Amino acid sequence: AQSVTQLGSHVSVSEGALVLLRCNYSSSVPPYLFWYVQYPNQGLQLLLKYTTGATLVKGINGFEAEFKKSETSFHLTKPSAHMSDAAEYFCAVSSSGTYKYIFGTGTRLKVLA
Amino acid sequence: DAGVTQSPTHLIKTRGQHVTLRCSPISGHKSVSWYQQVLGQGPQFIFQYYEKEERGRGNFPDRFSARQFPNYSSELNVNALLLGDSALYLCASSVRVQETQYFGPGTRLLVL
Repeated sequence: AQSVTQLGSHVSVSEGALVLLRCNYSSSVPPYLFWYVQYPNQGLQLLLKYTTGATLVKGINGFEAEFKKSETSFHLTKPSAHMSDAAEYFCAVSSSGTYKYIFGTGTRLKVLA
Repeated sequence: DAGVTQSPTHLIKTRGQHVTLRCSPISGHKSVSWYQQVLGQGPQFIFQYYEKEERGRGNFPDRFSARQFPNYSSELNVNALLLGDSALYLCASSVRVQETQYFGPGTRLLVL
């Protein structure tokens, strides 16, 4: 069975500081991994995804994530936080042969002025 | 290009009632998935449809049903509503079953 663990339900950073949101997954088959962002009262917006190939994935709004198989991790980073990054972030996993995404419980990012 | 659209945006029902939620996928997408997001949690998979056939079902009771129409739009139906059905219901579309899913804005259902 697949699962996702997001460490830290709430993360606060200062504007301009590094953003690091942690995601660890469990999967018995090669995973597809995703990060989505959810702004208040909105749906989910895809930030980036890893399927195969290069393990460092760049997404929108300056975010990137690195797939580390040995650590079963897919942490999301951004070098410099902006006030507009304040939102909830969800990590998700699926496998190439399955139809459903398994989501973590989310991390709420707060950016301090 | 228009993204995934869902209607209505908000809905208030009472226990025991029935509700129908609607979703229109991105043009060219033939697969639609439904997720339930309870406040403070991540989305949970309910159904996936592709070419009008159910391709997957999550761990939800039979009170939940769905269908997909020839134009690839979809409906999610929930019967005999319970207080615990209060949630944001998200629809996602993808070109095919195993392709990246793109989410709509959701329908927020409140059951009183």
